[in-house]
Amino acid sequence: DAKTTQPPSMDCAEGRAANLPCNHSTISGNEYVYWYRQIHSQGPQYIIHGLKNNETNEMASLIITEDRKSSTLILPHATLRDTAVYYCIVMAGNNRKLIWGLGTSLAVNP
Amino acid sequence: DGGITQSPKYLFRKEGQNVTLSCEQNLNHDAMYWYRQDPGQGLRLIYYSQIVNDFQKGDIAEGYSVSREKKESFPLTVTSAQKNPTAFYLCASSIADPTNEKLFFGSGTQLSVL
Repeated sequence: DAKTTQPPSMDCAEGRAANLPCNHSTISGNEYVYWYRQIHSQGPQYIIHGLKNNETNEMASLIITEDRKSSTLILPHATLRDTAVYYCIVMAGNNRKLIWGLGTSLAVNP
Repeated sequence: DGGITQSPKYLFRKEGQNVTLSCEQNLNHDAMYWYRQDPGQGLRLIYYSQIVNDFQKGDIAEGYSVSREKKESFPLTVTSAQKNPTAFYLCASSIADPTNEKLFFGSGTQLSVL
């Protein structure tokens, strides 16, 4: 599975949109982009995933570039509860080969 | 509510002792996983199981053992052979759909050495 590159940390003001970037330049055609987040001392939580098209659910939006080499997770109205580490992962039907990096530590400030 | 339950939340191990971490899921998922998380590092796969009575080693299986006698349960034993067991242990499960293999995680067990 391809590796990803994320900034180690980001800040966001409460109520504003948080845009978290992820580079996955070696992604293969059948690999999906998954986003998880982990609040301190808890298990990671699934947020969203996509293959080619942009996706939206009740938690976030996922924007994938046309060449699929990068993506952006958007939290439209960040709250203090969104403070967490966000992981971007690419994989293709094989969870046991997931490579978990260090993610982006997002701090939402009042 | 459906989900994954890990117990205990905190566990202490004495020198030379084996300890077992519990993981139960009622999501009817076939696949289950154990991960280890150390401060400043990403999650690392210890063991995984795709079906009852079958399991495979992950990247860091040495010093650990598992069993999968029931679909709902995937306990992890940290043996005395694991010389550095202090870590946060996470159990997860997933369905076997290659278009939607999202992982569901438990709340974790923090293991410390006395």
